[in-house]
Amino acid sequence: EVQLVQSGAEVKKPGESLRISCKGSGYSFISSLISWVRQTPGKGLELMGRIDPSDSYTSYSPSFQGHVTISADKSTSTAYLHWGSLKASDSAMYYCARLRPEGDYATDYWGQGTLVTVSS
Amino acid sequence: FMLTQPHSVSESPGRTVTISCTRSSGSIASNYVQWYQQRPGSAPTPMIYEDSQRPSGVPDRFSGSIDSSSNSASLTISGLKTEDEADYYCQSYDFSNSWVFGGGTKLTVL
Repeated sequence: EVQLVQSGAEVKKPGESLRISCKGSGYSFISSLISWVRQTPGKGLELMGRIDPSDSYTSYSPSFQGHVTISADKSTSTAYLHWGSLKASDSAMYYCARLRPEGDYATDYWGQGTLVTVSS
Repeated sequence: FMLTQPHSVSESPGRTVTISCTRSSGSIASNYVQWYQQRPGSAPTPMIYEDSQRPSGVPDRFSGSIDSSSNSASLTISGLKTEDEADYYCQSYDFSNSWVFGGGTKLTVL
């Protein structure tokens, strides 16, 4: 059974760094791209970026370029989303999702989500 | 471009409901449309991909289509069940493969 299991909820202060994780199981982790999606009440669902775990090639949506870093460790089948300096506006639910083999425009499995709260 | 969905729809159990997703510019047929179901407190679940394809495990009560004349995509749910009550999102992508999500439609089954 394909599963993506994300790390737990985080409460951080502005300016702090954070890395959340997404561990894949039940399939060959390097065979599918992983995306990260942000969900907020105000802006809804937004694609942040994607990574190919086989070679760690990443692409970012313009709104998130330079503010987050996506990485992957194929030895542990885990993808990561990292912030160097959090802002209050980063408070959101974050999901990782596996992209379908047909193309990187659709997903088939999602993690359960990680709630990030940034508050002073 | 933007994808516009109705904020909410409601229908009775056993009936059929259709949720629309209208593309603001460019042809709806240019890029595949996906649909997601999200129940409260849960992650989105893919229900339709590539306009009309159902992932394995999705009941055939769910179907997707596109209509070039109205430049929109539709998700149709037949034989409504109370468990179908959820938010539904459409999603497509642009020339640079950036995804665009609709704002979501709250389906009430009453």
